[in-house]
Amino acid sequence: GIQVEQSPPDLILQEGANSTLRCNFSDSVNNLQWFHQNPWGQLINLFYIPSGTKQNGRLSATTVATERYSLLYISSSQTTDSGVYFCAGISSASKIIFGSGTRLSIRP
Amino acid sequence: DVKVTQSSRYLVKRTGEKVFLECVQDMDHENMFWYRQDPGLGLRLIYFSYDVKMKEKGDIPEGYSVSREKKERFSLILESASTNQTSMYLCASISDRGASNQPQHFGDGTRLSIL
Repeated sequence: GIQVEQSPPDLILQEGANSTLRCNFSDSVNNLQWFHQNPWGQLINLFYIPSGTKQNGRLSATTVATERYSLLYISSSQTTDSGVYFCAGISSASKIIFGSGTRLSIRP
Repeated sequence: DVKVTQSSRYLVKRTGEKVFLECVQDMDHENMFWYRQDPGLGLRLIYFSYDVKMKEKGDIPEGYSVSREKKERFSLILESASTNQTSMYLCASISDRGASNQPQHFGDGTRLSIL
């Protein structure tokens, strides 16, 4: 079936550490996006990355479409990076399929 | 920039009330979606619509209905609100044109509390 799976489910790090979040997706899912949900519940679009690598400041993402995975890297973590990170893709029926999220907690 | 607007950020209603959550997008998108998000359960699809007056059930449609009378507006209706419908509700839209090359866009969410 159509699947988007994220790991790890929870991640606790000290401020300044680097982190890697993973998203595996099935054959019928395309057009990966990474979102950060802030403490107020807003979904902030981080990257639209169907393939290749993109960078934005301390964040970067890589999607290897042929191997059906995407990675989100956060370098020099700050407490404001805390929250839930979701990846999502689009099925052939234009349905958005979300992963279950990675809850990231950055300790000062 | 695409804008998806949800009518309320916070809403408090009573058990048994009929509740309307409104979502409007300004980019002529064909596809619109309603999700709810609950701790430990992630985002779950309630209903989606791929055209005016068209609707499809998502993963958890029970207790909800939707309305899409105009392309830009997708309404989620709680016919008789219950406490287990207290949640964060998110609306999203995406173009069908070259959907294989388009990101999805989200509203800011509505945090609904049913007392």
